[in-house]
Amino acid sequence: EAGVAQSPRYKIIEKRQSVAFWCNPISGHATLYWYQQILGQGPKLLIQFQNNGVVDDSQLPKDRFSAERLKGVDSTLKIQPAKLEDSAVYLCASSPRGGLATQETQYFGPGTRLLVL
Amino acid sequence: AQTVTQSQPEMSVQEAETVTLSCTYDTSESNYYLFWYKQPPSRQMILVIRQEAYKQQNATENRFSVNFQKAAKSFSLKISDSQLGDTAMYFCAFRPRSNFGNEKLTFGTGTRLTIIP
Repeated sequence: EAGVAQSPRYKIIEKRQSVAFWCNPISGHATLYWYQQILGQGPKLLIQFQNNGVVDDSQLPKDRFSAERLKGVDSTLKIQPAKLEDSAVYLCASSPRGGLATQETQYFGPGTRLLVL
Repeated sequence: AQTVTQSQPEMSVQEAETVTLSCTYDTSESNYYLFWYKQPPSRQMILVIRQEAYKQQNATENRFSVNFQKAAKSFSLKISDSQLGDTAMYFCAFRPRSNFGNEKLTFGTGTRLTIIP
């Protein structure tokens, strides 16, 4: 089974520029998550999709961050304009939907490391 | 809101020895899941072990086992016969058991484990 795919793996931009990250979840997984992991911290959820609908975006800085999952499969996270404090690893994860314990696990992609100069 | 605390920022142990990583959490939920994730230097987050709060039996997965103390809200990870490949950041994570789609993981700040040859 193929894992969660993310691209690019690394990105360096200057502040006030825009950047986009792409994620393709595990096939058949209905739920998709974007996390931000700042160096030395645990991941923090930015947004959760259930199919193509948003379940939780309470911690997404909506003035500069946006995300979409138009066809309920892959997703794009965008930052415009970027700030220095956005330097972090952006992790995408996916999970099946359901009540069984094995379906509650989130599977993570390799992440995109963003450096804002 | 839930919080997860990992009080050991760094640990090191000799190869083949046993090491225990600590995690405590705070929640008002009665039904939830707890996880340990491993993040090697390549940064892909990998599930190590999972515990359902309604199960009294501690989860085990080969050399990895947990000590789940629900009343004390404690969830420690024991790694037996440690191997060089166990060197990584280890994150403890919590999520409530929800049938309504909000499946946000709350992570601790992590413990950096180094296995010494």
